[in-house]
Order: sequence, then structure tokens, then C-alpha cells
Amino acid sequence: EPEVTQTPSHQVTQMGQEVILRCVPISNHLYFYWYRQILGQKVEFLVSFYNNEISEKSEIFDDQFSVERPDGSNFTLKIRSTKLEDSAMYFCASSGAWTSGRGRETQYFGPGTRLLVL
Amino acid sequence: AQTVTQSQPEMSVQEAETVTLSCTYDTSESDYYLFWYKQPPSRQMILVIRQEAYKQQNATENRFSVNFQKAAKSFSLKISDSQLGDAAMYFCAYGDIQGAQKLVFGQGTRLTINP
Repeated sequence: EPEVTQTPSHQVTQMGQEVILRCVPISNHLYFYWYRQILGQKVEFLVSFYNNEISEKSEIFDDQFSVERPDGSNFTLKIRSTKLEDSAMYFCASSGAWTSGRGRETQYFGPGTRLLVL
Repeated sequence: AQTVTQSQPEMSVQEAETVTLSCTYDTSESDYYLFWYKQPPSRQMILVIRQEAYKQQNATENRFSVNFQKAAKSFSLKISDSQLGDAAMYFCAYGDIQGAQKLVFGQGTRLTINP
């Protein structure tokens, strides 16, 4: 069964360093998302991406964050200068095309990247 | 803005029994999706079940079923014949039909299964 994959599974970085989190969405999906989950809290939306541009972003997604689809398979989240409060689990998700004119299919999540900023 | 509330931070149930997890939401939209996701200790988000708001029939997936009350904006998850592998955090989520279709999650309910 197709699945979303994410690398690395864990990343430890120093405050102020840049990190790139990578995701390979399900191959025929067209919509891509990043969410984050600070330990013990709920999952929060960061950004959605379609047709090579951002569809929507949350207030969390400030100028330190960027997303890119550098090729036909990868979808990346970059944090330019990490802060302690960026420590969290980051989930990538993808969903398919319109079905029956009622909207996209369910979002399928990757296993997450656990980011620790020291 | 849409909000999702899960009022039970923790629930426990005896193995083989039935448990119901509660979720309420707020939206001004008439058409939308609702989901339950399971997050085991590995922290991966696994889809359990989904419901389209325009469908009156409650969704079911094997031992999992929902009670969708649109007027009350309530969306509870019933797990029948609970198994040890059901132990996890359960998140209720709301998704718009239109727009970016981001998911809005509740705070989660931690379910413990007692053998």
C-alpha cells in the first residue's frame, strides 16, 4: 500500500542552525501539507502546497519557514534559523485529486520527523 | 475559525469492552469532513475513520464506528471489543471541503486498555 515517507526520523540541531526536513508524498497525490506537534500538545497545521505554490499557511509559518517541491517526488520543509521552540514532531501529509466533485480525499500522514533544537 | 474540542483527556476500558470517545466542533460551514486519527506510542498518525457531513449515515470501519450528530456538532468514536493494540492517543479532526482543506485537530484523548 502506498505511504508517505519522511527523513530523517530524528534530527538534533543547535539553535540558529538551518534544518531541512524531507518528505516523499504518495505518488499520485497533488496536495501536500506540513503539520507540527509539540510534545504533549495537539497537531497544528503549518502550510499547504498545491501546484508548486503555497495554498495556505498558519501564523506559525513565519519567514523562518519555507517549503519546496524540488523535483517530482520530494517535498521539503526548511527552517532557516532554528529556535528552541521549534522542537517538535513534524508531520508531512498528502492527499489526492478531487473525487466526485466534493473535495480531496483523506490526508495520509508520514511517520514524522522528531526535531530537537538545543 | 473552526475549532475542535475533545473534553476527555484520558479514558480507560477493559479489554473486549466498548468505549466511546467524545468530540465536538464548531463551524459555520454546512459541508465538511470529520476524521478520527490514532497516534500510538510511535507517534505516527493513522487514519481510523472518516465522515462526510452531507451523509446522514454514520461511518463504520470494522470495530470502529461514529455517532455523527450534525445539528449538535458532535462526532463521537465508538470502539467495540477493545483490544490491547487500540491503546493510543486519539485525535478528532475537522476538514473543510473548500480551500486549502487543512485539518484542525482536537487536543486528543489518551486511551488505555486494561487487560
